[in-house]
Amino acid sequence: SQQGEEDPQALSIQEGENATMNCSYKTSINNLQWYRQNSGRGLVHLILIRSNEREKHSGRLRVTLDTSKKSSSLLITASRAADTASYFCATDTSGTYKYIFGTGTRLKVLA
Amino acid sequence: KAGVTQTPRYLIKTRGQQVTLSCSPISGHRSVSWYQQTPGQGLQFLFEYFSETQRNKGNFPGRFSGRQFSNSRSEMNVSTLELGDSALYLCASSLPAGGPNEQFFGPGTRLTVL
Repeated sequence: SQQGEEDPQALSIQEGENATMNCSYKTSINNLQWYRQNSGRGLVHLILIRSNEREKHSGRLRVTLDTSKKSSSLLITASRAADTASYFCATDTSGTYKYIFGTGTRLKVLA
Repeated sequence: KAGVTQTPRYLIKTRGQQVTLSCSPISGHRSVSWYQQTPGQGLQFLFEYFSETQRNKGNFPGRFSGRQFSNSRSEMNVSTLELGDSALYLCASSLPAGGPNEQFFGPGTRLTVL
C-alpha cells in the first residue's frame, strides 16, 4: 500500500494565486521529499526535509513537516502556468533507500 | 553533467515475451533505483542497487529482476510479460549513501504490452 496519500487529488487555480498540497504518511520517516512531474515524464526533485526539521524554503516553495501528525505540506506561492504538473511526496523510512511515493496532486495553473 | 539516461524510450512487446531496460546514472552516482508508474497504482518502488548489490526491493513478483554493473549502469528485466506490466519505468540515481539524498530521475521507458 502507498505510504503517502496526497490531497487534494487535483487542484485548479489562477496564475498568481498560491497552491497548497498535503501529504500524509503512515509510519515514522527518516526524510520526506517533494517531486514534480510534467506530463508523464521523469520526476524533478524540488525539496528534501529531514525528520528533525519543521520547515524549509526554496524560492517560491515552502515545505512544512509535522511528524506528530505524520503529514507534510507544499506551498507554491505566486503560481505560474509553468507550475502545471503533478506533485508527489516521497518518504524514506529509516534510511532504507526505499522511497515510497504518494498518490500525487495534479495542479493546473490557469493563465 | 549529463543527466540520467534510459534506453529505449519506448517499447512495444507482446504477452509472454521478455524485456530488458537500461539506465545510465549521472557520472559519480553509485545508487540506482527503479520505479514502475501506472495510472492505477501510481509510482511503485521496484528495487535499489548500490555498488552492484541490491539493497532493497519492492513487492513485485520474481519476473522483475535487475542488476548493476561495475560502472554503475543498471538494467532491469521483466520476463513473461503480462498486460499489466504496461507502464512507465523510471530509473533514478543518487550520490552514495551517508545521509538522505535527492534522486535524479531519467525520462523513463514507456513499455506497452499487447
